[in-house]
Amino acid sequence: ETGVTQTPRHLVMGMTNKKSLKCEQHLGHNAMYWYKQSAKKPLELMFVYSLEERVENNSVPSRFSPECPNSSHLFLHLHTLQPEDSALYLCASSQGSGSRDNEQFFGPGTRLTVL
Amino acid sequence: DAKTTQPPSMDCAEGRAANLPCNHSTISGNEYVYWYRQIHSQGPQYIIHGLKNNETNEMASLIITEDRKSSTLILPHATLRDTAVYYCIAASRNDYKLSFGAGTTVTVRA
Repeated sequence: ETGVTQTPRHLVMGMTNKKSLKCEQHLGHNAMYWYKQSAKKPLELMFVYSLEERVENNSVPSRFSPECPNSSHLFLHLHTLQPEDSALYLCASSQGSGSRDNEQFFGPGTRLTVL
Repeated sequence: DAKTTQPPSMDCAEGRAANLPCNHSTISGNEYVYWYRQIHSQGPQYIIHGLKNNETNEMASLIITEDRKSSTLILPHATLRDTAVYYCIAASRNDYKLSFGAGTTVTVRA
């Protein structure tokens, strides 16, 4: 247990569906992240939120829409995805940039399959 | 972030020390060396980080050369549960972005 939880753990959706991934951190951290890990590829950073403001968006298609309602929760809203979006989606949190210890703590991930 | 270079894979024997090398010859003065690992189908796990001095915690030791161009992660007594992909990352404390490369796939054998 890392203190970062993700739901659901597995998700299968069609290309016309709308779904949301949820992440919650119980560590009192100020920054939260979404990463994508496709098969046999390195982790790709998608979004970063610091103090509930988006500070990084790595050219992610608009069919992925993040939401950070407070410092403990992070959502990734999905709509009209493509089969190539099938991947492991990982959430992470950290104390925040400039802090003494900026290591990131990861959740277990959501395994997404788009049919 | 400075680019890091790691061997793609290595085997080690259970109970022996595992020494994982990493080259980061272009690391800048304010960049730390971070190590993470990812056990199959799980999220990455932070292991250790350092700037100049050698570091040790309950999981591993980190040895950084004096010129900071390379480092070695040491797992003192490898177990089967240490089988994972190990990532060496150079980043400053002000960086949000951790650039995970391909890492080293470590297989611990009984």
